[in-house]
Amino acid sequence: GENVEQHPSTLSVQEGDSAVIKCTYSDSASNYFPWYKQELGKGPQLIIDIRSNVGEKKDQRIAVTLNKTAKHFSLHITETQPEDSAVYFCAASAASGGSYIPTFGRGTSLIVHP
Amino acid sequence: NAGVMQNPRHLVRRRGQEARLRCSPMKGHSHVYWYRQLPEEGLKFMVYLQKENIIDESGMPKERFSAEFPKEGPSILRIQQVVRGDSAAYFCASSPGIAGLTDTQYFGPGTRLTVL
Repeated sequence: GENVEQHPSTLSVQEGDSAVIKCTYSDSASNYFPWYKQELGKGPQLIIDIRSNVGEKKDQRIAVTLNKTAKHFSLHITETQPEDSAVYFCAASAASGGSYIPTFGRGTSLIVHP
Repeated sequence: NAGVMQNPRHLVRRRGQEARLRCSPMKGHSHVYWYRQLPEEGLKFMVYLQKENIIDESGMPKERFSAEFPKEGPSILRIQQVVRGDSAAYFCASSPGIAGLTDTQYFGPGTRLTVL
């Protein structure tokens, strides 16, 4: 089955700096890579996703890159703000008999210091 | 536009009791997924359902756990004879079930189960 590794487990930055979270996956059949933000006591919130037919996607201060050859994808947050502090999860999934079940990384706790 | 709804948000049970967790998907969504999250861990898939059908239950424990998504009403995750190890946050997600969008999942706020 799919295995997703996520690094770092904790990331501490100063407000205004950039933050990068990296994930690797093992199943070359994976073709969908969402990123979720989870604040304390809340459910994961989809913030951006990318499919295997593109290499990069941007949405304001957030961008995701995908390297299919190396089987890794990254989340980039620019001009970080204290409200970006949360746990971020990457995931990978592939159509398998019609069951799109994502495998999640263990999460990165991002702390943005004012 | 209401998102995925789960209730209760917090549930306390004593060992041996039953826990029932409910999930109402987003309007227009016909696919429901249940996940379990332990403290400082990622989300572990449990079961994937469509209306009146279990599509994939490969992540469900073989005993005490069951799930349903009836034609009418919310999806229910049921845990019988709970044990302390069942204490966790349980999240439900839903997806549209439309070709090309099937895999985009939206999560509810979760039910935090505590077993005393």
